[in-house]
Amino acid sequence: QKEVEQNSGPLSVPEGAIASLNCTYSDRVSQSFFWYRQYSGKSPELIMSIYSNGDKEDGRFTAQLNKASQYVSLLIRDSQPSDSATYLCAVTQLGDFNKFYFGSGTKLNVKP
Amino acid sequence: NAGVMQNPRHLVRRRGQEARLRCSPMKGHSHVYWYRQLPEEGLKFMVYLQKENIIDESGMPKERFSAEFPKEGPSILRIQQVVRGDSAAYFCASSLGITGETGELFFGEGSRLTVL
Repeated sequence: QKEVEQNSGPLSVPEGAIASLNCTYSDRVSQSFFWYRQYSGKSPELIMSIYSNGDKEDGRFTAQLNKASQYVSLLIRDSQPSDSATYLCAVTQLGDFNKFYFGSGTKLNVKP
Repeated sequence: NAGVMQNPRHLVRRRGQEARLRCSPMKGHSHVYWYRQLPEEGLKFMVYLQKENIIDESGMPKERFSAEFPKEGPSILRIQQVVRGDSAAYFCASSLGITGETGELFFGEGSRLTVL
């Protein structure tokens, strides 16, 4: 079983809609959770981090964490074509902070 | 330019040859990580280094792969006797401190290795 699982997509949403990206993880000692965005052929870049249960908002992005259910999600409000990219979920585990476990990513297409 | 620099961006090797991938971390960063990304897959941790030390190499294949981060110069990921299965994008990342607390992993543009 993979440590971090994501639906590969593609997820298609119209411009202006809310995009919802989900991620589940298998290890209960996972401590820190991150969302990276990767444009095709480019390097991943950090867009959100979340460490405790609940919601965390940053501009159009909201990360949601539910440790009991072992999932983390990313909501993108007012989606723009420039949001079209692959979104990678990553987790680190207690006592092993330097090793990130990445999901395979969800490809998001925002249609104008 | 203060970003993570990787070279070469693209590398083609024939089976049995050696591949050397270089990474210069962001200025001031002393933590370097190498990740491998296979097509349609996520990034897989390979190795974590600090200057002159390998801290965690649990993701490195046992044979043919090695990494170093010397006191002077870039970090190098070396793959000896490459095979077709080594074809992938190899990403280097750097951080100022322990990453898990902040998620501040800064990635380079990657080196794409193709083995013929």
